[in-house]
Amino acid sequence: NAGVMQNPRHLVRRRGQEARLRCSPMKGHSHVYWYRQLPEEGLKFMVYLQKENIIDESGMPKERFSAEFPKEGPSILRIQQVVRGDSAAYFCASSPGTGVTYEQYFGPGTRLTVT
Amino acid sequence: QQQVKQSPQSLIVQKGGISIINCAYENTAFDYFPWYQQFPGKGPALLIAIRPDVSEKKEGRFTISFNKSAKQFSLHIMDSQPGDSATYFCAAKTNNNDMRFGAGTRLTVKP
Repeated sequence: NAGVMQNPRHLVRRRGQEARLRCSPMKGHSHVYWYRQLPEEGLKFMVYLQKENIIDESGMPKERFSAEFPKEGPSILRIQQVVRGDSAAYFCASSPGTGVTYEQYFGPGTRLTVT
Repeated sequence: QQQVKQSPQSLIVQKGGISIINCAYENTAFDYFPWYQQFPGKGPALLIAIRPDVSEKKEGRFTISFNKSAKQFSLHIMDSQPGDSATYFCAAKTNNNDMRFGAGTRLTVKP
């Protein structure tokens, strides 16, 4: 059973460009979470999605950031008009369901560098 | 506002020693407390987790101690090995999948 897959692993964008980060959850998992990790810091929750629905986006900046998890295909985290402060590692996690003991399994992350 | 406070920020331990990392939380809605291990360039991986109805959980060299009244929990790594050198994150989760992480502890185990 393949783990959570993220691509690209590394992404370089110039200021003002768009960044698209993709996440394929583990097989059988319908819940996806996105986190951002700045250097030397912990993971900050951004958004929680189920298929075709955004459940909680309280950690997502109101502008330039959006996320989706379509019925078919991977979840996408989209950052428009990137700025240097968006440089970070973005991790996706998935779980098979809701409930406190459902574990979140993390992907290897996408490291975004904005030049 | 950090909902889970973790200390120390970094820790150096001799091989064979005990590594202790502490976390504290405020939100009493948290009902599940996992610890994650992260190696450079990798995603976090679940190490061990505990629910608040248990005061201690042990898996191999890793033990979580949980103090519900103090709203504190800690990770103990016994007989620490150089391969344990990594960043460790505590986390706290509610039953609607809301999970918050501590800031992390960078552990270095010297041979």
